Amino acid sequence: DAGVIQSPRHEVTEMGQEVTLRCKPISGHDYLFWYRQTMMRGLELLIYFNNNVPIDDSGMPEDRFSAKMPNASFSTLKIQPSEPRDSAVYFCASSLPGEANVLTFGAGSRLTVL
Amino acid sequence: GQNIDQPTEMTATEGAIVQINCTYQTSGFNGLFWYQQHAGEAPTFLSYNVLDGLEEKGRFSSFLSRSKGYSYLLLKELQMKDSASYLCASMDSNYQLIWGAGTKLIIKP
Repeated sequence: DAGVIQSPRHEVTEMGQEVTLRCKPISGHDYLFWYRQTMMRGLELLIYFNNNVPIDDSGMPEDRFSAKMPNASFSTLKIQPSEPRDSAVYFCASSLPGEANVLTFGAGSRLTVL
Repeated sequence: GQNIDQPTEMTATEGAIVQINCTYQTSGFNGLFWYQQHAGEAPTFLSYNVLDGLEEKGRFSSFLSRSKGYSYLLLKELQMKDSASYLCASMDSNYQLIWGAGTKLIIKP
């Protein structure tokens, strides 16, 4: 298996622009998580899905952030409009049924908003 | 509130043993996880403890005391490649992971 695949690996954009991050979980994993990591705040859970359904989005910072999972093999995290404080590494992670928190992380998307 | 405490940074010598401590306070408890994260890379799963005691996995062992809200990760025969951050995470009553800030381990030759 290729693992959890994220794209893009790096993105540099200007404040106000829309950013879309993409994730392909491991086949057969029915939980998908979006995390954000910064030096100041560490790892923060933004949202997670079970069987493509959003379960908890209480970690999504504000209405500028949205996430979708249209099918079992694809999810997006969108920021619109982006702000410099959104600069971080965004990780997608997935897990097997019955092992909800043994996470396999993707390589991450490093976002820089100028 | 929910809180995970672990040292910010530790230094150890190649070939030695190091113990990374973690204390946790969470709303309910459903297990304690350790993840390893090399600089610029994603976290990778190391261990999971839900019962008191020591779990050994090669050079790495993890210990849990539920009554004390305490865990440690023990790394033996340290190698340079063990230089990384080690993240402690407690699973609360809602089966959500509460993450510590991580301990940066520096290995010196």
